Amino acid sequence: AQSVTQLGSHVSVSEGALVLLRCNYSSSVPPYLFWYVQYPNQGLQLLLKYTSAATLVKGINGFEAEFKKSETSFHLTKPSAHMSDAAEYFCAVSDPLASGAGSYQLTFGKGTKLSVIP
Amino acid sequence: ETGVTQSPTHLIKTRGQQVTLRCSSQSGHNTVSWYQQALGQGPQFIFQYYREEENGRGNFPPRFSGLQFPNYSSELNVNALELDDSALYLCASSLVRGSYNEQFFGPGTRLTVL
Repeated sequence: AQSVTQLGSHVSVSEGALVLLRCNYSSSVPPYLFWYVQYPNQGLQLLLKYTSAATLVKGINGFEAEFKKSETSFHLTKPSAHMSDAAEYFCAVSDPLASGAGSYQLTFGKGTKLSVIP
Repeated sequence: ETGVTQSPTHLIKTRGQQVTLRCSSQSGHNTVSWYQQALGQGPQFIFQYYREEENGRGNFPPRFSGLQFPNYSSELNVNALELDDSALYLCASSLVRGSYNEQFFGPGTRLTVL
């Protein structure tokens, strides 16, 4: 089974500073990777996804992530943090189900809570 | 296009009771997955339904069961509730494709077991 490790359960940045959220994965097959954001008392919203096309993936709200196979990493970045970015962020890997037929579950990391300081 | 909806938003049960949570898939999607998110944790995969049959299951006991209906809506049933079942339950719908299936999440149902 695949697994995801997110380094740092809580990250604080100043408004306007670089955001860097770390994600490492283990996978026995070429992975599909995702970053989701969760605002308080809400569900998950997809920020971006890697599906074996370009290694640098651009998502919504100015976020991007780079897939590095040699480092088994998929870190999330944003050049300039905004107050509205304060939320919890989850990295996930698509884990094939035994039933096959292109079916996958998502295996999530434990999440990183991002705080933005004015 | 209607997104994924879940009901109820919140509910409170006592230990030993049974609960049913409901999910309506996004239009055109034929696969539903359920996840449990305990406080301070990432979501954990419970099971997935495709064309009304269980398509895969995570490490959850049989007292967690589900259904998918012909209109692709779904239910999650939990019997003999335990305190540790308190969590946010997320439903995600997707359209099975050959290479990956992007999952779209609902807002969740927060279950509290007393």
